[in-house]
Amino acid sequence: ETGVTQTPRHLVMGMTNKKSLKCEQHLGHNAMYWYKQSAKKPLELMFVYNFKEQTENNSVPSRFSPECPNSSHLFLHLHTLQPEDSALYLCASSQVAASNQPQHFGDGTRLSIL
Amino acid sequence: TQLLEQSPQFLSIQEGENLTVYCNSSSVFSSLQWYRQEPGEGPVLLVTVVTGGEVKKLKRLTFQFGDARKDSSLHITAAQPGDTGLYLCAGVAVEYGNKLVFGAGTILRVKS
Repeated sequence: ETGVTQTPRHLVMGMTNKKSLKCEQHLGHNAMYWYKQSAKKPLELMFVYNFKEQTENNSVPSRFSPECPNSSHLFLHLHTLQPEDSALYLCASSQVAASNQPQHFGDGTRLSIL
Repeated sequence: TQLLEQSPQFLSIQEGENLTVYCNSSSVFSSLQWYRQEPGEGPVLLVTVVTGGEVKKLKRLTFQFGDARKDSSLHITAAQPGDTGLYLCAGVAVEYGNKLVFGAGTILRVKS
């Protein structure tokens, strides 16, 4: 098993659909992150979970809803998305949620909103 | 204005050439990380620098942290096609709430 696994790798959905992105880490880490990566823009941190508790919500619209049932799994529930939400969504993990900790990234879910 | 400015945005070179990419800011960073993201994959951490003036080497890659800890550079010697990817710098600064912030990256293409 690779360190951080994201599914699906690609997702196309309409603006009225509801879907979920899944992330699983096999590194024994306690912190997990969601990032949005758009072309020519810096990675945007969306959410941080530390020991299953949300420690950061970076002013993310409520149409994105995270869920962290345990330290190994992280979900991003999507509903009523907008075309500008099309991007690569990356999950990452680290030992704990500290900024100097190296982060291990998954390969992302490429999301396209029709 | 981006917190970390990376330049150039895009670089296309021939195999065997040398290159340098830059990561600049007006803020002082307590630490700075470099990641490489290959097409279709997530970023992978290459190095972390924490001391002003620090130089770290990883095979053909040389990373330098500026004396004032406001900038960093990545130099690649004798580039190979396998070096192709997006190079991201990310740093931690008190000015940004001690959160890890990323630059937009430099896209490197090495042609054989």
